[in-house]
Amino acid sequence: DTEVTQTPKHLVMGMTNKKSLKCEQHMGHRAMYWYKQKAKKPPELMFVYSYEKLSINESVPSRFSPECPNSSLLNLHLHALQPEDSALYLCASSQGQGVAAIGANVLTFGAGSRLTVL
Amino acid sequence: DAKTTQPNSMESNEEEPVHLPCNHSTISGTDYIHWYRQLPSQGPEYVIHGLTSNVNNRMASLAIAEDRKSSTLILHRATLRDAAVYYCILRDKNRGSTLGRLYFGRGTQLTVWP
Repeated sequence: DTEVTQTPKHLVMGMTNKKSLKCEQHMGHRAMYWYKQKAKKPPELMFVYSYEKLSINESVPSRFSPECPNSSLLNLHLHALQPEDSALYLCASSQGQGVAAIGANVLTFGAGSRLTVL
Repeated sequence: DAKTTQPNSMESNEEEPVHLPCNHSTISGTDYIHWYRQLPSQGPEYVIHGLTSNVNNRMASLAIAEDRKSSTLILHRATLRDAAVYYCILRDKNRGSTLGRLYFGRGTQLTVWP
């Protein structure tokens, strides 16, 4: 299995809703990532988990709450979002630190979850 | 983080070679050069990476200048399926705290004409 699977593919939510995006991989990767991509823009890094611990938070607002229940799963909990948070949310994974030279670490991305906040 | 500069867009005809340039004049000795591409409505896809020597794989070739201040991604025979945004990214080899800091620049939109 060489894929990163993201669900749901599309999500529409109101500003008062609570929802979650899910990401799963079975490649034995120990680092997992969330990126946000607005239309016609490059992906922007949000969070990185390394060995199920949060290692990077790129100053993301607290209305986005990541969770890594185990080495195969990554969630992004959403609460009280704003319309400007509408975007494509991408999950990725890679071999963990120490397994390969960090600079050579290759990311495998999922197809993304397209979020619309009304 | 070291930055990369790419042309906004390039065009090619099908079955012709494509050379996608990338400038990275502030590259450090430990930065790997990565290329990813993003097809419409998909997540980014790894293409190739290298440190100092030229690299080949089934998708493309990566030519790295001797001073490492620039590199070129070479698609040997473009197909319609190669139409995508191509991102050139520098990734540091040694800084443990930057695990995962794969920062995307604006990339080059490649159009392939039949």
